[in-house]
Order: sequence, then structure tokens, then C-alpha cells
Amino acid sequence: QSALTQPPSASGSPGQSVTISCTGTSSDVGGYNFVSWYQQHPGRAPKLMIYDVTKRPSGVPDRFSGSKSGNTASLTVSGLQAEDEADYYCGSYAGTNNFDVVFGGGTRLTVL
Amino acid sequence: EVQLVESGGGLVKTGGSLRLSCVGSGVTFRDTWMSWVRQAPGKGLEWVARINSRPEGGTTNYAAPLEGRLTISRDDSKNTLYLQMDSLKTEDTAIYYCTKYRSGWSFESWGQGTLVTVSS
Repeated sequence: QSALTQPPSASGSPGQSVTISCTGTSSDVGGYNFVSWYQQHPGRAPKLMIYDVTKRPSGVPDRFSGSKSGNTASLTVSGLQAEDEADYYCGSYAGTNNFDVVFGGGTRLTVL
Repeated sequence: EVQLVESGGGLVKTGGSLRLSCVGSGVTFRDTWMSWVRQAPGKGLEWVARINSRPEGGTTNYAAPLEGRLTISRDDSKNTLYLQMDSLKTEDTAIYYCTKYRSGWSFESWGQGTLVTVSS
């Protein structure tokens, strides 16, 4: 069982927006502004899409945005494109006693 | 551009040992925090271990359930990261990714992964 909770699936039509949630606790998501999101296509390594809750690495389209409220973080993908179909994982700093980072179980995004 | 290439995975029996390697280019390992993250077949991501940069003491940290069976280390002269895994269990079966931290506890670069299969 993953430390952070994500919906197993999400979907949207091309051009639409979809939001994926990531719920943790005050010991991880709610306690720090260190939430990250990763995109993973089948058979490929994960790719960093969002870090520090809202920041995008160079090269990531601005269609991807992140936010956080309390213990829940969210990833929004606007203007859905076929290539956005992938698994998305959230991660959060969780202190260094037991785990540096905890992850969600992943959300499969389907572009209809 | 940062490139990370893992090797050393394979099939091993329960109770056995394995050492994974990760060679980097476009990055100087001694100046960077590095980590291993694993993914069991069809499952999510799991952080495994971290080593700090040499200027920061090269300290290490491990996922609590795995501590005692893993050792992360680095050979700065070879720009290579290692993960020594002992007393392997079937639940250690996973793809192991070498990753480079960026500020804020995220992983900005990933290798292609190396598959470890533990079988009885």
C-alpha cells in the first residue's frame, strides 16, 4: 500500500483538462512544499514533470501545472494531447527518519 | 545532458546478493545527491536509498524497511554509483532506477533501469 493516495485512473478527451489528486498527511504532503509529479510511459523510465508543488523543469509544457491545498496535491493537464496518455506518480518529501520521499500508487491517464 | 546507465541486474535466489552499478555522464557524482528508486512489476515507485554529495559528507539514508540489507556507495574516480543488496527476498524483485536529485527532494534524471528478479 502506497503512502500517498491517488485515483487509479483518470481520463479526458483531447483538448480537455484533467486533474489528478494526491492525498497524504501533515507529515508529508501537508507539511512541506516538496511535492513532485512524474510521467511514465509504458516500458520507459519516469520523467519529472513538476517539482516543489508548482515548478516545471525546462522542457515540460506549460499545459502541466501543480497545486496543493492542505494534505492534497493536484496535477492538472490542460489541453490534453494523445501523448499525455501515461501513468502519473506523485511524490513528497517525508522527512529523513524512515523515508526521504514517499510516492503515490500512480494514476493511469487515458486520452479518449 | 545527464545520462545515467544502470547495470548489474539479473536473476538471483532468495538469500543471495547482488551489486548494481550506475555510470553517469554529464554530471559529477561527487557533487550531487544520488538515489536509487525501485518499481516492482506492475506497481508504483518506491524510494530505496540516498547518498549525499562528497562536500556534504557523503552521508547515506535508507528506506526503513530495507535498512540493514542495502549499502549505497559511490566511486568518484569512476563517476559510478552502487547499490549492494544482501539477503534478497522475492519482494525485492523490481526494476531499480538510478536517479539524480534536484533541489526540493525530487528526481530530475533517471536511468533506464536494471531488472532484479529474486526467485526461490
